[in-house]
Amino acid sequence: DTGVSQDPRHKITKRGQNVTFRCDPISEHNRLYWYRQTLGQGPEFLTYFQNEAQLEKSRLLSDRFSAERPKGSFSTLEIQRTEQGDSAMYLCASSKLNTMEGEAFFGQGTRLTVV
Amino acid sequence: GENVEQHPSTLSVQEGDSAVIKCTYSDSASNYFPWYKQELGKGPQLIIDIRSNVGEKKDQRIAVTLNKTAKHFSLHITETQPEDSAVYFCAASRTGGFKTIFGAGTRLFVKA
Repeated sequence: DTGVSQDPRHKITKRGQNVTFRCDPISEHNRLYWYRQTLGQGPEFLTYFQNEAQLEKSRLLSDRFSAERPKGSFSTLEIQRTEQGDSAMYLCASSKLNTMEGEAFFGQGTRLTVV
Repeated sequence: GENVEQHPSTLSVQEGDSAVIKCTYSDSASNYFPWYKQELGKGPQLIIDIRSNVGEKKDQRIAVTLNKTAKHFSLHITETQPEDSAVYFCAASRTGGFKTIFGAGTRLFVKA
């Protein structure tokens, strides 16, 4: 296992289109997180899964955003009716259940550009 | 709400000099403080962390200090090298919480 994998690495889409990103965490990690990072800022928490259960969602996650982790392994993040303000790097991270939340390993991210 | 402030936003040092990055946090329940290094086009990488029951931790050229009373914590890099050039993020989280709050980052330039 080489770490957290995200796909695609880059996505350019037209405003109004739907996009879906995938994250494959480190295999034995129960916890999975999605963050959003805009230029010049630190990552902002979006949502958290423990196994297949989505336990917390940020107020940043509008109704247009939905995340799933159906079998407790990989996760998807979908953005519907994209807006230019959605342009950002979307980061996925994972950690083991018995570690502090910060001991997370990040993927390379998916850079979304909405034109 | 919860907040982590980080200073400076940009830091330029000569190779071999030391670099210090400082952060303050607002949530007094925070008890875990990781530091991440992010290189261009990559995700953040954990480089060192400290828990609230410890005042200082060192790992080779990197050290972190924590002052819980003042809600301050700092990253110290000694004998800087050009490959230390990157963006560094401090962060804070707490047991039972599910999110880590990040600072805005410090862009470190190490000049050869």
